[in-house]
Amino acid sequence: DTAVSQTPKYLVTQMGNDKSIKCEQNLGHDTMYWYKQDSKKFLKIMFSYNNKELIINETVPNRFSPKSPDKAHLNLHINSLELGDSAVYFCASSQDLSLYNEQFFGPGTRLTVL
Amino acid sequence: LAKTTQPISMDSYEGQEVNITCSHNNIATNDYITWYQQFPSQGPRFIIQGYKTKVTNEVASLFIPADRKSSTLSLPRVSLSDTAVYYCLVGDRAGTASKLTFGTGTRLQVTL
Repeated sequence: DTAVSQTPKYLVTQMGNDKSIKCEQNLGHDTMYWYKQDSKKFLKIMFSYNNKELIINETVPNRFSPKSPDKAHLNLHINSLELGDSAVYFCASSQDLSLYNEQFFGPGTRLTVL
Repeated sequence: LAKTTQPISMDSYEGQEVNITCSHNNIATNDYITWYQQFPSQGPRFIIQGYKTKVTNEVASLFIPADRKSSTLSLPRVSLSDTAVYYCLVGDRAGTASKLTFGTGTRLQVTL
């Protein structure tokens, strides 16, 4: 009965490959997010979706493309992976865009690009 | 933009009270102040939220002065399991990236 789940938990791949990370929430929330946490633990927003509509698209390379097939899912596709993409990626969801409502985070996906 | 500033790290002994202060000089009228806790290898989780004065729950207290330009997260009688990174987040609506800036947080290390 995990609220926000991500797969895979670990992802090791070679430079230049294309990979996807999946995220699902069973909380009935309207808003979902992708965050990147680098080696220095800086947690930075990448994307946010509200009712399947893109709300925030931070200064992220266009090799990163989120896809929201429905409100419960927000997947992250990454093309032509680079060494600098190595990080932990967190998916999160909240009831709506109001920050009065807490964000629920997934367990994270540790991506290692070799 | 309500940018936040927190100490990078703090150390405490078990059983002590820990106070972590977050500065947010440009806080807007509608902004809430929310604190999250992150354990190693886990995603952040909500601890407490407030708008003004004092808020207390079973985990922590949050003190917010009248001008709201800062806030203090208070953890009573910390234990080893409170070792984590604590993030202060200020905003009203997650419509812009600046409202979702967690930053580097404050790394709290609790020892015996």
